[in-house]
Amino acid sequence: GQQLNQSPQSMFIQEGEDVSMNCTSSSIFNTWLWYKQDPGEGPVLLIALYKAGELTSNGRLTAQFGITRKDSFLNISASIPSDVGIYFCAGQGNNNFNKFYFGSGTKLNVKP
Amino acid sequence: EADIYQTPRYLVIGTGKKITLECSQTMGHDKMYWYQQDPGMELHLIHYSYGVNSTEKGDLSSESTVSRIRTEHFPLTLESARPSHTSQYLCASSSVLNTEAFFGQGTRLTVV
Repeated sequence: GQQLNQSPQSMFIQEGEDVSMNCTSSSIFNTWLWYKQDPGEGPVLLIALYKAGELTSNGRLTAQFGITRKDSFLNISASIPSDVGIYFCAGQGNNNFNKFYFGSGTKLNVKP
Repeated sequence: EADIYQTPRYLVIGTGKKITLECSQTMGHDKMYWYQQDPGMELHLIHYSYGVNSTEKGDLSSESTVSRIRTEHFPLTLESARPSHTSQYLCASSSVLNTEAFFGQGTRLTVV
């Protein structure tokens, strides 16, 4: 299947700092999704992107659908301890509308 | 808020037992998915369904089977559980029109 490269793999930051993570793909995607997963829970959808160049915010979170349609990034501003978790990107491509391909996740740690 | 439910949340069983993990959604979504995830790792698609009486194998080979007799219900069955099946199993659903996928809380399976 398709692979998404998500980076960084993990981050250790101080409370109040901004965070940025991204995903790249070798294939074009029609949809990019960003999820947050807490330990022992299912992923929760944060932001959905549908158009190349689209920039969408959800509170302190901002995500963009790359112009080439092969990448996306997620920014978190003014991080707080409850931002701790694993963030996953997911993409849905042109040729198979039934599958989402997930990145390997970015583990975020926030020090108070 | 997503209306997708998985039971049980946690299950510890002995080797050789048959188990069924339940997944139900009340959103009327046609598409449903099962993912397998080891702690802190990426999600691997093991089964998906386009709709009633449709099931397909995902990218990761799995000894489990699924059925889709009703739109809202997508159970996963292991005929003979083994320790290698120990993992978290996540169910998700999405509609045909809206590509956002919503996840259940997951079932953490331990086979001893």
